[in-house]
Amino acid sequence: GENVEQHPSTLSVQEGDSAVIKCTYSDSASNYFPWYKQELGKRPQLIIDIRSNVGEKKDQRIAVTLNKTAKHFSLHITETQPEDSAVYFCAASVYNNNDMRFGAGTRLTVKP
Amino acid sequence: GAVVSQHPSWVICKSGTSVKIECRSLDFQATTMFWYRQFPKQSLMLMATSNEGSKATYEQGVEKDKFLINHASLTLSTLTVTSAHPEDSSFYICSAPWAGWEFFGPGTRLTVL
Repeated sequence: GENVEQHPSTLSVQEGDSAVIKCTYSDSASNYFPWYKQELGKRPQLIIDIRSNVGEKKDQRIAVTLNKTAKHFSLHITETQPEDSAVYFCAASVYNNNDMRFGAGTRLTVKP
Repeated sequence: GAVVSQHPSWVICKSGTSVKIECRSLDFQATTMFWYRQFPKQSLMLMATSNEGSKATYEQGVEKDKFLINHASLTLSTLTVTSAHPEDSSFYICSAPWAGWEFFGPGTRLTVL
């Protein structure tokens, strides 16, 4: 089955710097990769996702890149702000299939 | 960190039977647990909030009698899919909050034949 690894487990950056979180997956059939953000005391929220027919997707300060050959995908947050502090989870699944595997999560802290 | 387990990781059943999925918090107590389901072409959908010692709170559109939730202890919540049908085939994942954060179980893949 699919195995998703996420790194780093914790990440601390200064406000305004960029943050990068990386995930690798094992199942070459996986073609859907969502990212979730969970803020302290709040429910996880889908923030961005990417399908394997594209290599990069951007939404304002957030971008996700995908390298199918290497089986890894990354979340990039630019111009970080304190409100970006949260736990971020990556996941991988086969689109239109009922299965999803999560990474272990990355706790991002943005220092003012 | 906190660990949440689920059992089974996958199950195949015949249409009309019931299936029970367990969610356990291994090293912490959880008075609340959450059950999600992944629909095709969509992300996770929150089904219900499981409350220890009281009734679960279901999201709009989720059938209470179809998806029975029991949170009998501070470390265990169960989701029973009653009279399962092929359309219930999905990936079910639970989570539990601890210290202000939410920790996910590994998920259960249900296939109803």
